[in-house]
Amino acid sequence: KAGVTQTPRYLIKTRGQQVTLSCSPISGHRSVSWYQQTPGQGLQFLFEYFSETQRNKGNFPGRFSGRQFSNSRSEMNVSTLELGDSALYLCASGTGTGGNKLHFGNGTRLTVT
Amino acid sequence: LAKTTQPISMDSYEGQEVNITCSHNNIATNDYITWYQQFPSQGPRFIIQGYKTKVTNEVASLFIPADRKSSTLSLPRVSLSDTAVYYCLVGDLAMNYGGSQGNLIFGKGTKLSVKP
Repeated sequence: KAGVTQTPRYLIKTRGQQVTLSCSPISGHRSVSWYQQTPGQGLQFLFEYFSETQRNKGNFPGRFSGRQFSNSRSEMNVSTLELGDSALYLCASGTGTGGNKLHFGNGTRLTVT
Repeated sequence: LAKTTQPISMDSYEGQEVNITCSHNNIATNDYITWYQQFPSQGPRFIIQGYKTKVTNEVASLFIPADRKSSTLSLPRVSLSDTAVYYCLVGDLAMNYGGSQGNLIFGKGTKLSVKP
């Protein structure tokens, strides 16, 4: 079974630009969640989608948004990039039916200059 | 929301048992406790999950006391390849908490170093 795939693996953007990250979940998984990982703040939950609906959202500004398609693939968008958005962005997929047994991708490393 | 606290680092030797404790005083009734392992340049990998009492699988055990305000991940007979960061996660992704607050809280991680 193929794992969770995130693209691109690395990304360099300039402050003020916007960026879109992509996540393909494990086949059959209907839940996709996104996380930001930084050395200072650790792993922080951004939001979760289940069957194309955002079910939960973390404490991040509205510049961070996402969506999920009918095939469960998900995208995350960050607008008006700030230097502090430099981080590893991880997505994870799961059945979404209870508990937190998640399968993570290896992330997209975003650098904002 | 449950805030989690775990040791920043731990050292061990090959063959020893390692116990990592996570404190989560404000855990909610519906919250699960889940542990992940992360190696550099990789996403976290699921280790074990529990709700109460003890859970054991082929790689670890998870001990949860009756009040559920803490949990202990036990790794039997660690090897060099167990050197990684271990995260405690409290919450339930399937629970709609409403509002804009996140419902999944990760600990800051415990960096385990296993020496030969």
